[in-house]
Amino acid sequence: DGGITQSPKYLFRKEGQNVTLSCEQNLNHDAMYWYRQDPGQGLRLIYYSQIVNDFQKGDIAEGYSVSREKKESFPLTVTSAQKNPTAFYLCASSRLGASTGELFFGEGSRLTVL
Amino acid sequence: AQTVTQSQPEMSVQEAETVTLSCTYDTSESDYYLFWYKQPPSRQMILVIRQEAYKQQNATENRFSVNFQKAAKSFSLKISDSQLGDAAMYFCAYRSADNYGQNFVFGPGTRLSVLP
Repeated sequence: DGGITQSPKYLFRKEGQNVTLSCEQNLNHDAMYWYRQDPGQGLRLIYYSQIVNDFQKGDIAEGYSVSREKKESFPLTVTSAQKNPTAFYLCASSRLGASTGELFFGEGSRLTVL
Repeated sequence: AQTVTQSQPEMSVQEAETVTLSCTYDTSESDYYLFWYKQPPSRQMILVIRQEAYKQQNATENRFSVNFQKAAKSFSLKISDSQLGDAAMYFCAYRSADNYGQNFVFGPGTRLSVLP
């Protein structure tokens, strides 16, 4: 079945450590996204990518980095510069073009800083 | 910039009854998409229904339907014959129809409880 796989589901980090969240999709979508979700808030865009080797900052990119070396993969690194990284992270993908529709989401990764 | 507002942080409905969740948005664009996503306790976001702004007819998907009022910039979701499995967070979302309008804008969500 086609879909988006995020790993790990749960991750604990000590302060000062970088961590990388994995996101893989087999939907052949060009666009991929990372969102952060905090309690009581909607989804906030961290980064998105429309094509391999290219990505754009979203609304809250500070303290995060991404890469897009393959169409299927869009890993997110939460760096030590991110002051409040404890959150739920959602990866998503979509087709490009005016006739495109919705975002497809992974199951999410919960990061907790100890 | 576009904004999406959901004025009801929490709602509840009796099983088998009907409930309507509100969503308003602000945009200067004429062509766009609107979506309702459901996030159950498992946390995976699931598309419930979508509406293309150029279509006057309201979208329906089984027990789910929308009331799309383009002039009023309103996009409410009606859930009929509510079931226990409908309990979740519901997010309204906007997306430009521009080829490169890749930024989806989400509302803050409405938590729906279904009472047996």
